[in-house]
Amino acid sequence: QQQVKQSPQSLIVQKGGISIINCAYENTAFDYFPWYQQFPGKGPALLIAIRPDVSEKKEGRFTISFNKSAKQFSLHIMDSQPGDSATYFCAASLKAGGTSYGKLTFGQGTILTVHP
Amino acid sequence: EADIYQTPRYLVIGTGKKITLECSQTMGHDKMYWYQQDPGMELHLIHYSYGVNSTEKGDLSSESTVSRIRTEHFPLTLESARPSHTSQYLCASSEGGTGEYFGPGTRLTVT
Repeated sequence: QQQVKQSPQSLIVQKGGISIINCAYENTAFDYFPWYQQFPGKGPALLIAIRPDVSEKKEGRFTISFNKSAKQFSLHIMDSQPGDSATYFCAASLKAGGTSYGKLTFGQGTILTVHP
Repeated sequence: EADIYQTPRYLVIGTGKKITLECSQTMGHDKMYWYQQDPGMELHLIHYSYGVNSTEKGDLSSESTVSRIRTEHFPLTLESARPSHTSQYLCASSEGGTGEYFGPGTRLTVT
C-alpha cells in the first residue's frame, strides 16, 4: 500500500515535443506529491510538487496534473529540450502525524532522452 | 537556499575497512535520510532520523549504522566494507511535510 508505481521506465522525445510521465499510488493518506529531476552523478533535485487540494500546478514548462479519484498524477514537460534529458522520479509522502510524516515513497524512475 | 553537503564525493576502499560517510545540512531541518542508489535505478531508503537522538531503519536492509547527535549532522558508518556495498549513497533532509533536499551523493567503490 506504500508503493508508488511510475511509468514509462524510459522515454524518448524529440526536441520541442511534450514529455509525459505517469505515477499511480494506493495509499489515500498520501498528501504531498513531488517530482524530482536527477542528472548523472548528481543527487535528485526537487522540480515541482502538488498537494491533493488542486488538480494542476504549472511552473514554467513543467506541469503536474493530479487526479485524486483515480489516485494518479503525472508530469508534463512542454517544449522538451535536450537539457531536460535526465531521470525523473515521482514521490509521495504521508499526512502530518507520526514519525513517518514527511518520509517520501519514490517511484521507480523514468529515464528521459530528448533528441535535438 | 537549500544546502546539504556530503563528503567524500568519491571513495575507493578495500574490503574490510571501516568507513564513515559525512552529511551535513545548514537549514535546521528536523528530518534527515540516507538513500542507496545504483546508477539510474530506484532510490532505496536505508536510514532516517526525525530529530536528534532518534534514528530508524529504512525500507532496505543495510549493514550500515547512523547517528544523530546534532541536528545538522547525520553520518553513516560501515564497520567492514564489502564489494556488495559498492553503490551511490545519497543524504537528504526535510522540514515537516515538504519535499526532501538531496546532497550530491557519495560514490563508494569497495574493491
